[in-house]
Amino acid sequence: NAGVMQNPRHLVRRRGQEARLRCSPVKGHSHVYWYRQLPEEGLKFMVYLQKENIIDESGMPKERFSAEFPKEGPSILRIQQVVRGDSAAYFCASSPLATNEKLFFGSGTQLSVL
Amino acid sequence: DQQVKQNSPSLSVQEGRISILNCDYTNSMFDYFLWYKKYPAEGPTFLISISSIKDKNEDGRFTVFLNKSAKHLSLHIVPSQPGDSAVYFCAASETGGGNKLTFGTGTQLKVEL
Repeated sequence: NAGVMQNPRHLVRRRGQEARLRCSPVKGHSHVYWYRQLPEEGLKFMVYLQKENIIDESGMPKERFSAEFPKEGPSILRIQQVVRGDSAAYFCASSPLATNEKLFFGSGTQLSVL
Repeated sequence: DQQVKQNSPSLSVQEGRISILNCDYTNSMFDYFLWYKKYPAEGPTFLISISSIKDKNEDGRFTVFLNKSAKHLSLHIVPSQPGDSAVYFCAASETGGGNKLTFGTGTQLKVEL
């Protein structure tokens, strides 16, 4: 499967714990995007990364959230000290280029905070 | 501030008929528009796109129309098939914004036999 791979598919955390979401882009894609979908809402942009660089993090909450896309390995979205409001579906997408290219999305990680 | 709006949360159409999904936007800087289809427990998959220099783009059963003056676009599916039943998201981006997409809230399409 050469598509975008996200894991885990489901993640349950208690309030105050850390959540780490992983995303392996399509092979050869160097642009990665994270989106969040809250219940009954559309997908909201969080962050755009290119290998080892954060290009646009305008959609990321200022605290507790961070993202990385190292030279080797998957992109990681990290949420520290999770709260109930963080419960959502988190989607990763990748593209080969930076401009006006369709994004390839993964199946998402459903985060549930108890 | 919802810059991309899909005012119909759901739409029901009979198999073989035309499905028309609508989308409005408010940001005049948007110049590239896409439609994504999403099945439950899956990520969105790209369907069709249109640049602001065009007013129509067609791909098989799917056609997207863009009315820039009205800031409105629509997706036509004809003929509709049961496998088209899914949530359809309209999305938009602006030049210089990379692939940062602004999504609508989606329309649940149900194609009935």
